[in-house]
Amino acid sequence: DTEVTQTPKHLVMGMTNKKSLKCEQHMGHRAMYWYKQKAKKPPELMFVYSYEKLSINESVPSRFSPECPNSSLLNLHLHALQPEDSALYLCASSQGSALDYQPQHFGDGTRLSIL
Amino acid sequence: TQLLEQSPQFLSIQEGENLTVYCNSSSVFSSLQWYRQEPGEGPVLLVTVVTGGEVKKLKRLTFQFGDARKDSSLHITAAQPGDTGLYLCAGARYAGNNRKLIWGLGTSLAVNP
Repeated sequence: DTEVTQTPKHLVMGMTNKKSLKCEQHMGHRAMYWYKQKAKKPPELMFVYSYEKLSINESVPSRFSPECPNSSLLNLHLHALQPEDSALYLCASSQGSALDYQPQHFGDGTRLSIL
Repeated sequence: TQLLEQSPQFLSIQEGENLTVYCNSSSVFSSLQWYRQEPGEGPVLLVTVVTGGEVKKLKRLTFQFGDARKDSSLHITAAQPGDTGLYLCAGARYAGNNRKLIWGLGTSLAVNP
């Protein structure tokens, strides 16, 4: 079982909907990440939080809005998504500062489908 | 420009065969991580190599970091169907004042019984 928990596992939404993806870890990690992954491709970094502050935004469209309420939780708010946003969204965490790029612990992802 | 070339991209072999996956770059990495991802799951870290020339073994898997820390290989001996999955290498390197994690494109391995 993964130590990073993501909910929901699957999400189908229309282009006008608003939904949120949630991620939780209790390993005491202070760096948390959101990735987008297409089938048989490597994860693409979207956002990095380090000590609950957004440290990296990889030029992600504003229809994706991250939030880190505390050191254990990471949310990704979705609004007005496009069909090409359909993908597996992975959350990960690591020890120390995100800039150290310590080995990352991944959740099993949310499979998102945009109709 | 793909900074971390991973090969082969796809590999289908029979149970019991050996195989090697390569990650190559013209850039130096401070460390390199190998992950395996099974369908429906997130990537799981297999190993991190840090020192040039380092060799690490994990049961039937042998990982090597090149002397110049620009390349790495993963060798699997006597592959089993349970080894099936997407193998990803990721190298950490400095970009200005920050460190970035560069991902290879992955090797999709199928081990047939």
